[in-house]
Amino acid sequence: KQEVTQIPAALSVPEGENLVLNCSFTDSAIYNLQWFRQDPGKGLTSLLLIQSSQREQTSGRLNASLDKSSGRSTLYIAASQPGDSATYLCAVEMDSSYKLIFGSGTRLLVRP
Amino acid sequence: DAGITQSPRHKVTETGTPVTLRCHQTENHRYMYWYRQDPGHGLRLIHYSYGVKDTDKGEVSDGYSVSRSKTEDFLLTLESATSSQTSVYFCAIRGTGSSGNTIYFGEGSWLTVV
Repeated sequence: KQEVTQIPAALSVPEGENLVLNCSFTDSAIYNLQWFRQDPGKGLTSLLLIQSSQREQTSGRLNASLDKSSGRSTLYIAASQPGDSATYLCAVEMDSSYKLIFGSGTRLLVRP
Repeated sequence: DAGITQSPRHKVTETGTPVTLRCHQTENHRYMYWYRQDPGHGLRLIHYSYGVKDTDKGEVSDGYSVSRSKTEDFLLTLESATSSQTSVYFCAIRGTGSSGNTIYFGEGSWLTVV
């Protein structure tokens, strides 16, 4: 059974820091991996999607990498801002199942 | 914006009563999902649909049923609500075309069973 783990569970950093959020999964036979952002009381917003054949995706200050063989993905946020404060979740999709399996998320606070 | 609307957004109901949550989409996406989100458990899949009248169970389907009689609507029914079903329920759809495989979520439905 696929399990997705996110470390750390919570993170507090001063504004301007570069930071890395980690996601690990136990079964490397994934179809793709997505990173989401969730603001309090809101739904999830897709940030980046990495297909299993890709190594990384970039969008603005965000960069996500994927290493299937080691079962790891990282989300790199450059020059963090208070507006980046949110919970970040990763989710993997298994081959052809079209079902996402989520980690529990990392709650990020960027202090002004 | 993938045009997803959930209703009701907030509901308080009594134990033992049936409850139906509605997910409406405006873009004819084939795949729709219902998740619940609970502290310590993250998001867990309840049921999903891959077309009109085509549905399947997810990880935590006991006590829930779904129906999809039209492409745009996916209904989640709690047949007899229990306190353990107090949760936030999210509907999601799978994008197609240039946004293929990206998952879009609704704003959530907060359900309290007392």
